[in-house]
Amino acid sequence: AAGVIQSPRHLIKEKRETATLKCYPIPRHDTVYWYQQGPGQDPQFLISFYEKMQSDKGSIPDRFSAQQFSDYHSELNMSSLELGDSALYFCASSTGPFTGELFFGEGSRLTVL
Amino acid sequence: DAKTTQPPSMDCAEGRAANLPCNHSTISGNEYVYWYRQIHSQGPQYIIHGLKNNETNEMASLIITEDRKSSTLILPHATLRDTAVYYCIVRVSYSGSARQLTFGSGTQLTVLP
Repeated sequence: AAGVIQSPRHLIKEKRETATLKCYPIPRHDTVYWYQQGPGQDPQFLISFYEKMQSDKGSIPDRFSAQQFSDYHSELNMSSLELGDSALYFCASSTGPFTGELFFGEGSRLTVL
Repeated sequence: DAKTTQPPSMDCAEGRAANLPCNHSTISGNEYVYWYRQIHSQGPQYIIHGLKNNETNEMASLIITEDRKSSTLILPHATLRDTAVYYCIVRVSYSGSARQLTFGSGTQLTVLP
């Protein structure tokens, strides 16, 4: 069965650079969530989208922005990268905003040097 | 969403049942109990959820107390591949928005050979 696809899987950037992560949800899933997981920490919610509109917002820095496109894929843009942004970034998708049954991708590992 | 309390770690012998407890004493009537697990650095994986009745699927069973203030996830025959951090999450469903799942500290389950 198709799963959530995230790219790139690994990314290395310098401080103050910009990074973009992409997420392709499971076909027919219209809701996307982004999570950040720092080393030794639990996943922290960043932002979610339903039908291309922002739905819920968590602890997402102002330096980060995200959007969901007409084909339901989503991109997380991170600017002015800091060392503390080094983390695993997970995307999840679901069939609509009401269910708590989320399907997570394998994550994108961002390293900021 | 209600907060949850889980033991930080548990061990279980391979082939035996693993019983993971969760306290959610402030749960509201419209909040569901979800269980997820995360195998080291992989994306979290949905296991099961319930409102007030006990639930069972191919992965696990969920037992919710009558007052709904606590629950137990049961893995009937634990294998080494079940070693993971297990998260108990309480979330309102049908809220009209893609509400976040809040991951707390979870229980590190180690299945021993």
